[in-house]
Amino acid sequence: QIVLTQPPSVSGAPGQRVTISCTGSSSEIGADPDVHWYQQLPGTAPKLLIYSNTNRPSGVPHRFSGSTSGASASLTITGLQAEDEGDYYCQSYDTFLSTSVFGGGTKLTVL
Amino acid sequence: EVQLVESGGGLVQPGRSLRLSCAASGFRFDEYAMHWVRQAPGKGLEWVSGISWDRDNIAYGNSVRGRFTISRDNAKRSLYLQMNSLRAEDTALYYCARDIGDGHPRCNHGVCRHFRALDVWGQGTVVAVSS
Repeated sequence: QIVLTQPPSVSGAPGQRVTISCTGSSSEIGADPDVHWYQQLPGTAPKLLIYSNTNRPSGVPHRFSGSTSGASASLTITGLQAEDEGDYYCQSYDTFLSTSVFGGGTKLTVL
Repeated sequence: EVQLVESGGGLVQPGRSLRLSCAASGFRFDEYAMHWVRQAPGKGLEWVSGISWDRDNIAYGNSVRGRFTISRDNAKRSLYLQMNSLRAEDTALYYCARDIGDGHPRCNHGVCRHFRALDVWGQGTVVAVSS
């Protein structure tokens, strides 16, 4: 089964840029990556931030962007704001088992 | 307004069963794949199960396969999760979520995927398994 590894935590000051990585254990991630990103603010349901590596759903600020490189994907947040503080998860698909899988999540702290 | 509302959670003893429901509104339910995702207290998200719009494609996470059954009734715009042989480790907040696709395989560069991103989420229903 694919394992998606994220750093447990990242932090940044308001206005700064932070990047959260998501590294896949399978070479399939690199062959044709399809990684999605979610934001979960305290006490709320997850919200889709980025789908299919780089696409922003309607209403998601341009401060949030996604990218891929090899077997890894990244979520970058520019112009960090206090309200960005929360947990961020990557998600992908295990084509061998035909199951979806989430990364372990990254807690973002705005200093 | 696009909305998903879960129900059916509660306190249940280990080994017993529970059935969760998710009522959809504001969109064509029969055009989308649907999923259950859970979150144990203080833990991360765990994908539980997914089902295509026509029930042709169904998949389960390793920890629930053989115990949980996902189903849907498109006429009633509802998604279900039958949970049997419940364990303490099934204690979690269970979310219902909509896929951006219909659950049929999309192939690119020889890689085929049934399920994609989850763009609509409910507020969840709590399942607590304890004696």
